[in-house]
Amino acid sequence: SYVLTQPPSVSVAPGQTARITCGGNNIGSKSVHWYQQKPGQAPVLVVYDDSDRPSGIPERFSGSNSGNTATLTISRVEAGDEADYYCQVWDSSSDHSGVFGGGTKLTVL
Amino acid sequence: QVTLRESGPALVKPTQTLTLTCTFSGFSLSTSGMCVSWIRQPPGKALEWLALIDWDDDKYYSTSLKTRLTISKDTSKNQVVLTMTNMDPVDTATYYCARIRTREYYFDYWGQGTLVTVSS
Repeated sequence: SYVLTQPPSVSVAPGQTARITCGGNNIGSKSVHWYQQKPGQAPVLVVYDDSDRPSGIPERFSGSNSGNTATLTISRVEAGDEADYYCQVWDSSSDHSGVFGGGTKLTVL
Repeated sequence: QVTLRESGPALVKPTQTLTLTCTFSGFSLSTSGMCVSWIRQPPGKALEWLALIDWDDDKYYSTSLKTRLTISKDTSKNQVVLTMTNMDPVDTATYYCARIRTREYYFDYWGQGTLVTVSS
């Protein structure tokens, strides 16, 4: 089955740029989606199809995907961005299943 | 406005069968491309995809759990039901249902989740 690897934690000062990576075998050939989850809340989609933003998500959230790594970039980080972030792909091989990364805790210093 | 809500027991005993219901509104599971999935999250751990059912009644399951899971739908009631057999304490988690559409394959709307504890 397909495996997505994320760093457990990323720390950044307010106003700086946070980059959260998601590694997978030839992930650049897949569509990657990103979710933000704050404590006690359900996940919220923040980026879909590598780099598109749902309505209501600030432009500070962007994504890229190439080779074996997808990246969620959060510009001008705010205290309210502190959360867990998960990447996700759909594995359309014989399994035909959803796959999540292990999650990254973003800490705003 | 799309909404989903999970319901089911908060506590189940080991070896019992868990039945969860996802009641949704704002879309129809009879519409081509529409799907509902179940995802769970043990306390302090990552999200884990469990199962999906689509508008055509096709069903897909997590490879590691497929022998224990059954997903079904009642289109007239706007409900999707997940059953998981032989529950174990390691199955303690918040269980979410979420909408997903084919050719897009991301979860755009989520329920608030329901915490299920497995304990004797």
